Amino acid sequence: EVVMTQSPLSLPVTLGQPASISCRSSQSLVSSDGNTYLYWFHQRPGQSPRRLIYKVSNRDSGVPDRFSGSGSVTDFTLKITKVEAEDVGVYYCLQGTHWPGTFGQGTKVEIK
Amino acid sequence: QLQLQESGPGLVKPSETLSLTCTVSGGSISSYGYFWGWIRQPPGKGLEWIGTLYYSGNIDYSPSLKSRVTISADRSKNQFSLKLSSVTAADTAVYYCFRDSGHWAIDMWGQGTMVTVSS
Repeated sequence: EVVMTQSPLSLPVTLGQPASISCRSSQSLVSSDGNTYLYWFHQRPGQSPRRLIYKVSNRDSGVPDRFSGSGSVTDFTLKITKVEAEDVGVYYCLQGTHWPGTFGQGTKVEIK
Repeated sequence: QLQLQESGPGLVKPSETLSLTCTVSGGSISSYGYFWGWIRQPPGKGLEWIGTLYYSGNIDYSPSLKSRVTISADRSKNQFSLKLSSVTAADTAVYYCFRDSGHWAIDMWGQGTMVTVSS
């Protein structure tokens, strides 16, 4: 099973400032079809997770452009250019290249 | 638009079987290319995949839960279900049903239902 390691696990941020979350995999996430199946989700308190990013860097419909995903092979990053109050919650990465898909532990973002 | 809604008892006794149903509206669980499944989240903890029902009818289960889990579908009702047997307090969690559009591209979630295992 592929282990996904996120850092930091807790991220206090100032409104309007940037934030960055790292996600590292124990194996390459490059699939035999050439795609990299790495996703990012955001879970607000008391809500279901919502996908933000698919295949490393593609924003889902309705996701603000302050969110961006990047990375390759085993090293991936989610960045928020200017954190807003609604961005608080827990962020998870998920790899879907290897069976079974596995989540990172989650990174809790809170406002300072 | 597509919606998923979990239903079932919120309280289950230890050693009994947890049973949940996910009702899908605004789309069909028989639609080609989509998979349907369950994920759970213990209080204050992360996300744990339980199992996925594929379009073909095949089902995959988490290796750690495989001996206790059964996922099935009632396509006439556009529902799929989860049964988890011999539950313990460790199975207390919010249970989510989801849609996967392939390669674990989970793009829709139910609102989640809290299940507590307690006598």
